[in-house]
Amino acid sequence: DAGVIQSPRHEVTEMGQEVTLRCKPISGHNSLFWYRQTMMRGLELLIYFNNNVPIDDSGMPEDRFSAKMPNASFSTLKIQPSEPRDSAVYFCASRTRPGHTGVETQYFGPGTRLLVL
Amino acid sequence: AQTVTQSQPEMSVQEAETVTLSCTYDTSENNYYLFWYKQPPSRQMILVIRQEAYKQQNATENRFSVNFQKAAKSFSLKISDSQLGDTAMYFCAFMKGSSNTGKLIFGQGTTLQVKP
Repeated sequence: DAGVIQSPRHEVTEMGQEVTLRCKPISGHNSLFWYRQTMMRGLELLIYFNNNVPIDDSGMPEDRFSAKMPNASFSTLKIQPSEPRDSAVYFCASRTRPGHTGVETQYFGPGTRLLVL
Repeated sequence: AQTVTQSQPEMSVQEAETVTLSCTYDTSENNYYLFWYKQPPSRQMILVIRQEAYKQQNATENRFSVNFQKAAKSFSLKISDSQLGDTAMYFCAFMKGSSNTGKLIFGQGTTLQVKP
């Protein structure tokens, strides 16, 4: 399996621009997670989906952030408008469905390093 | 609320030696999972080992093993025969046991340097 795929790997943008991060989970996995990693706050969950439905978005910083999962193989995290404090590494992770061995384990993508100038 | 604490920001070990990374957590849950993830300079998050709270036996994966003390809420990682490729940041993480939840709560991380 190719693992979790994220794009782009690096993104540099200017304050005020819209940023869209993309994620393709592992085939057959039905849960998808978006995490953000910063020096100040460490790794924190932003939002996660079960069966394409958002379950917990309490970690989404503010209305500038939105996430969608239109189907089981694709998710986006959008920031509009972006601000310098959004600079971070954004990880996508997925896990298999209940009843399957290893259901508790999340597998991470390589991350997107975002820099907002 | 659950919290995870890694009290060692940085550690170093000589190649081939053994090192132990500490992790403590706080929870009122009885059913949960604990994980150690490795983050090398590439930034990729790699699962090292996991432990189910209901299992008394400590998990082992090749050179990596844990010392899980449920009553003390302690979950340390032991790396035996350290290799240069083990140089990375290591994160301890907690997750509730229900399959309907999925939130991983991470510690602050410990940077491990393996010296030749």
